[in-house]
Amino acid sequence: EDQVTQSPEALRLQEGESSSLNCSYTVSGLRGLFWYRQDPGKGPEFLFTLYSAGEEKEKERLKATLTKKESFLHITAPKPEDSATYLCAVQTIQAGTALIFGKGTTLSVSS
Amino acid sequence: SQTIHQWPATLVQPVGSPLSLECTVEGTSNPNLYWYRQAAGRGLQLLFYSVGIGQISSEVPQNLSASRPQDRQFILSSKKLLLSDSGFYLCAWRALGQGTDTQYFGPGTRLTVL
Repeated sequence: EDQVTQSPEALRLQEGESSSLNCSYTVSGLRGLFWYRQDPGKGPEFLFTLYSAGEEKEKERLKATLTKKESFLHITAPKPEDSATYLCAVQTIQAGTALIFGKGTTLSVSS
Repeated sequence: SQTIHQWPATLVQPVGSPLSLECTVEGTSNPNLYWYRQAAGRGLQLLFYSVGIGQISSEVPQNLSASRPQDRQFILSSKKLLLSDSGFYLCAWRALGQGTDTQYFGPGTRLTVL
């Protein structure tokens, strides 16, 4: 069974304290890995798609990387406005276009 | 640019009552559309998806149903709500392009069944 596990469940950082969120996956055939940001009470906002091991993408203070077993979302010098739940999802050959989501990591950044 | 709308934003319904949630997409034609549910402590779960008018695929057995009466309209329904139907319902559309395959989500509907 395809699975996506995110860790930690919650992360508290001080402003400027860099860290990484982890997304490990066990799938039959990966077509793509997606990162979303979700603010409370709102729909997920698309951040990145990664398609192959070794691929990296950056957006402002965020950088996503992909290996054959996991993805990391690196947050450099976070600000309070980066506080949100970050969701990881995979698209697999078997599941077609459906996204399989992890439970998310809730990030809190304090000033 | 493409925009996705959902309504209502929030809904409180008694057990056994019917349900109708609506999703519409602007700025694209013949999109793939999806209904997900996000329950407390769980990840987003795909409920239904549609590749065209009248074409619905169900991912999980439940007392919900979906319909696509128009190209850019996707409706989630139930004849009788259960307590377990409470959750945050999200509609998404799929953008396909050169080297990209991404789903974009709407603002969601918070459903509370009492």
